[in-house]
Amino acid sequence: EDQVTQSPEALRLQEGESSSLNCSYTVSGLRGLFWYRQDPGKGPEFLFTLYSAGEEKEKERLKATLTKKESFLHITAPKPEDSATYLCAVRPAGANNLFFGTGTRLTVIP
Amino acid sequence: DVKVTQSSRYLVKRTGEKVFLECVQDMDHENMFWYRQDPGLGLRLIYFSYDVKMKEKGDIPEGYSVSREKKERFSLILESASTNQTSMYLCASSLGTWETQYFGPGTRLLVL
Repeated sequence: EDQVTQSPEALRLQEGESSSLNCSYTVSGLRGLFWYRQDPGKGPEFLFTLYSAGEEKEKERLKATLTKKESFLHITAPKPEDSATYLCAVRPAGANNLFFGTGTRLTVIP
Repeated sequence: DVKVTQSSRYLVKRTGEKVFLECVQDMDHENMFWYRQDPGLGLRLIYFSYDVKMKEKGDIPEGYSVSREKKERFSLILESASTNQTSMYLCASSLGTWETQYFGPGTRLLVL
């Protein structure tokens, strides 16, 4: 069964304190892993797509990496405006839709 | 930039009412999706459409139907709203089957 697990559920960081969020997955053939950011009461905002193990993508203070079993979202020197819920989703082979994890709620304290 | 809009941000309906949620995208995307999002359960796919007048069931289609008469517009219909359909409803679109999905702002529906 296709499954996506994100950890931790919640993370509190001091401003400038770097950390990583984890997304582990079990799918029958990965055809893309997606990271989204979601602010309270809003729709998810696309961040990254990763397709193969070893791939990395960066945007400002965020870097996403992918292995055969998991993906990490590294946050370097976070700021309070990085506070949000970060969602991970996978597309299994042969599927049109995405399977989402339940997210990591990040709070960055000034 | 991709723009996905949803007809309402907040809705309050009574049990048994017929509810229409509308979604419009302006990027000529082929695929459109309806999800619901509940605390602790994440996003779950209700229905999706890969072409005009075409639709496929997602993981939780019971109690819902959809309509896609025009490429840019995808409607979600709750035939007879129930309290367990209180949720955040999110619409998304993608250019092709394997492409990134872009989401609208969401509609928070409360069924009393």
